[in-house]
Amino acid sequence: AQSVTQLDSHVSVSEGTPVLLRCNYSSSYSPSLFWYVQHPNKGLQLLLKYTSAATLVKGINGFEAEFKKSETSFHLTKPSAHMSDAAEYFCVVSDSTGFQKLVFGTGTRLLVSP
Amino acid sequence: NAGVTQTPKFQVLKTGQSMTLQCAQDMNHEYMSWYRQDPGMGLRLIHYSVGAGITDQGEVPNGYNVSRSTTEDFPLRLLSAAPSQTSVYFCASSTLQGTISYTFGSGTRLTVV
Repeated sequence: AQSVTQLDSHVSVSEGTPVLLRCNYSSSYSPSLFWYVQHPNKGLQLLLKYTSAATLVKGINGFEAEFKKSETSFHLTKPSAHMSDAAEYFCVVSDSTGFQKLVFGTGTRLLVSP
Repeated sequence: NAGVTQTPKFQVLKTGQSMTLQCAQDMNHEYMSWYRQDPGMGLRLIHYSVGAGITDQGEVPNGYNVSRSTTEDFPLRLLSAAPSQTSVYFCASSTLQGTISYTFGSGTRLTVV
């Protein structure tokens, strides 16, 4: 069975400093991995996805993530945080068995202070 | 704009009432699904469908029914609402061909009193 663990429920950074949101996954199959962002009272927006191509994936708004199979990790990073990055971030895994069911992590709330 | 449309955006129900949450997509996606979002629990899959006439249960299906009579629509029915069904509900769709691409609706916030 697939699972996702987001290692931090809250992360606080100052504007202009780097962002690191950690995610570990478990999957019996070749996984597809995603990061979604949810701003307050909004729907989910796809930041980036990994589907077995390049292990370093670049997304929107300056975010990127690196797939590390040996560590079963898919951490999300950004070199310099903006106030507008304050939101909840979800790491998501989807298996390759044909039904493409998404399994969500519990989320990490990113707080950005001036 | 193409996408996933959910209605209503907000709803308050009394315990025991029934209602249907609507979800429609215009991208000709084969796969559609319903999730509920609760604080500290991420999103959990309720039901999903891989095409018209085909549905299956997800992680938390109890208390919910679905049907898929057309490719475009995937309504979620609550037959007898309970306070435990207070949540935010998201519909998502995806193609089953080529690169995986999920599109989410903007959500329905349901309160059962």
